[in-house]
Amino acid sequence: DPVVTQSPDSLAVSLGERATINCKSNQSLFYSSNNKNYLAWYQQKPGQPPKMLIYWASTRQSGVPDRFSGSGSGTDFTLTISSLQAEDVAVYYCQQYYRSYTFGQGTKLEIK
Amino acid sequence: QVPLVESGGGVVQPGKSLRLSCAASGFNFSDYGMHWVRQAPGKGLEWVAVIWYDGSNKYYADSVKGRFTVSRDNSKNTLYLQMNSLRAEDTAVYYCAAGSYYFGYWGQGTLVTVSS
Repeated sequence: DPVVTQSPDSLAVSLGERATINCKSNQSLFYSSNNKNYLAWYQQKPGQPPKMLIYWASTRQSGVPDRFSGSGSGTDFTLTISSLQAEDVAVYYCQQYYRSYTFGQGTKLEIK
Repeated sequence: QVPLVESGGGVVQPGKSLRLSCAASGFNFSDYGMHWVRQAPGKGLEWVAVIWYDGSNKYYADSVKGRFTVSRDNSKNTLYLQMNSLRAEDTAVYYCAAGSYYFGYWGQGTLVTVSS
């Protein structure tokens, strides 16, 4: 099964600045028959369950602010928060669903 | 309205069994694959098991294979996880989640503590 690894493990960004989290898979998550990348991003705030932000690598879940965006294909993916807000402090996880299901180790995002 | 509500967690001795339930509402339960995902204290997310929308297929993480069994009752909109031969390393918050690929709905979780 694919293994996904996130970087960095933690990140401190000033309010209003851009935050970028990377996710790298040890095998391609792109399925050519449907032209889709089998990768999702989740946000987990303290004491809460995860919340899905992005699926198919770049499709934003309904209700998710448009400052959140996903990009990438194949083995390299990125979650970008264009202008960090205080409520974005959380741990972020990528997840592959190409073969079985595995999560990255998480990236803790804090305010600088 | 919370779409998924887990129950059945608690403190259990090593080697014992526990059954978790997950009650679904507000969406068409029988259309969705359902998962269990766990999170050990202070750790990341670990996928545990999946059952297809109709119960026809079930898959497990290697860490629980042969000890845990996932099942569902679509007439009751409920998902289950039977956990046998529990170990200390099974201590975690167990979440149920809905989705055939990505996990669009999550419950609030139920804590399972395996300790003597």
